Amino acid sequence: DQQVKQNSPSLSVQEGRISILNCDYTNSMFDYFLWYKKYPAEGPTFLISISSIKDKNEDGRFTVFLNKSAKHLSLHIVPSQPGDSAVYFCAARGFSGGSNYKLTFGKGTLLTVNP
Amino acid sequence: ETGVTQTPRHLVMGMTNKKSLKCEQHLGHNAMYWYKQSAKKPLELMFVYSLEERVENNSVPSRFSPECPNSSHLFLHLHTLQPEDSALYLCASSQDWGEALFFGSGTQLSVL
Repeated sequence: DQQVKQNSPSLSVQEGRISILNCDYTNSMFDYFLWYKKYPAEGPTFLISISSIKDKNEDGRFTVFLNKSAKHLSLHIVPSQPGDSAVYFCAARGFSGGSNYKLTFGKGTLLTVNP
Repeated sequence: ETGVTQTPRHLVMGMTNKKSLKCEQHLGHNAMYWYKQSAKKPLELMFVYSLEERVENNSVPSRFSPECPNSSHLFLHLHTLQPEDSALYLCASSQDWGEALFFGSGTQLSVL
């Protein structure tokens, strides 16, 4: 059973517009959420994170929103640029037993920003 | 070199071969990880080492054997793999266990 879901496998956006990537989770005990970006033939790169005690975190063009009651988070990119075209992974941190942390990843969303 | 470095980038091996994947981190981190990424599946955690001690083994078959000789190096020894083990194997590190991960570029493994 997937605890972190990215229901849109792909998203296409025009350059300069806003990109909104969505992520849903089922485990209310997750305490920390992260977004990663992955280009082909490279490893994922950490982008932005948010603690469960916050509802918004902003870093330049990237903003992550967390709605705990809906168990939903989203990544907003504005304005979108062609270089943002990549696969975006949502990840959530929780306990895997005892004091063990574990990051659970979604399947990813392929963002294409068209010039 | 900076960041997390993985070698080789690509590996093709037969089911009877023995090979090793290597990972080195230059970030001074205390935790290192092996992840597996199969097509159309989420990243799967395989192993976690924290301060050179294995702290998580996520039900991985014994044909995968990790080794962490020091806090900067991590190996994944492979033997008698199956074709379904073909995947992208990613190494990552973090300052401490549970913190944001920094990934290497991965080894694309094909088992014939």
